[in-house]
Amino acid sequence: EPEVTQTPSHQVTQMGQEVILRCVPISNHLYFYWYRQILGQKVEFLVSFYNNEISEKSEIFDDQFSVERPDGSNFTLKIRSTKLEDSAMYFCASSERGGALAQYFGPGTRLLVL
Amino acid sequence: TQLLEQSPQFLSIQEGENLTVYCNSSSVFSSLQWYRQEPGEGPVLLVTVVTGGEVKKLKRLTFQFGDARKDSSLHITAAQPGDTGLYLCAGERNTDKLIFGTGTRLQVFP
Repeated sequence: EPEVTQTPSHQVTQMGQEVILRCVPISNHLYFYWYRQILGQKVEFLVSFYNNEISEKSEIFDDQFSVERPDGSNFTLKIRSTKLEDSAMYFCASSERGGALAQYFGPGTRLLVL
Repeated sequence: TQLLEQSPQFLSIQEGENLTVYCNSSSVFSSLQWYRQEPGEGPVLLVTVVTGGEVKKLKRLTFQFGDARKDSSLHITAAQPGDTGLYLCAGERNTDKLIFGTGTRLQVFP
């Protein structure tokens, strides 16, 4: 069964460093998303991406964040200068159609900022 | 605030018992999805409901979307230890983003 994959599974970084989290969405899906989950808290929407541009973003997704689809398969989330409060699980998701229907999530990347 | 409140927050039951988890909001949602999440993993989609009053069954799991599309329930019949996990409802309102509920952590003891 097709699934969303994410790399790395864990990332430890120093505050102020740049990180890039990678995702390979399900191959026939056209809509891509990033969510995060701070330990013990709810899953929160960050950004959605369709047709090579951001379609919606939350207030969390400030200028330190960016997304890119550099080739036909990868979807990346970059955090330019990490802060302690960026420590969280970051989940990539994809869907065949938009409107948040049937989003399939990856296993997540656990980011720890020291 | 488009809040989705789940109840109960925690549930510990014996194998074979039935249970119901509720997901409530004061807002109307276009669709609602239920996910199950294991520790350290991503949410796994169980079902999507889109029509008010809709009922969907997935083996021992029954999902219902409220008539007014503000609430949903998940009923598990004859729970098994393999049902243990965090159950999340998530709604959308004609946008791309899912709004996740507060979660219900279920523990089923053999």
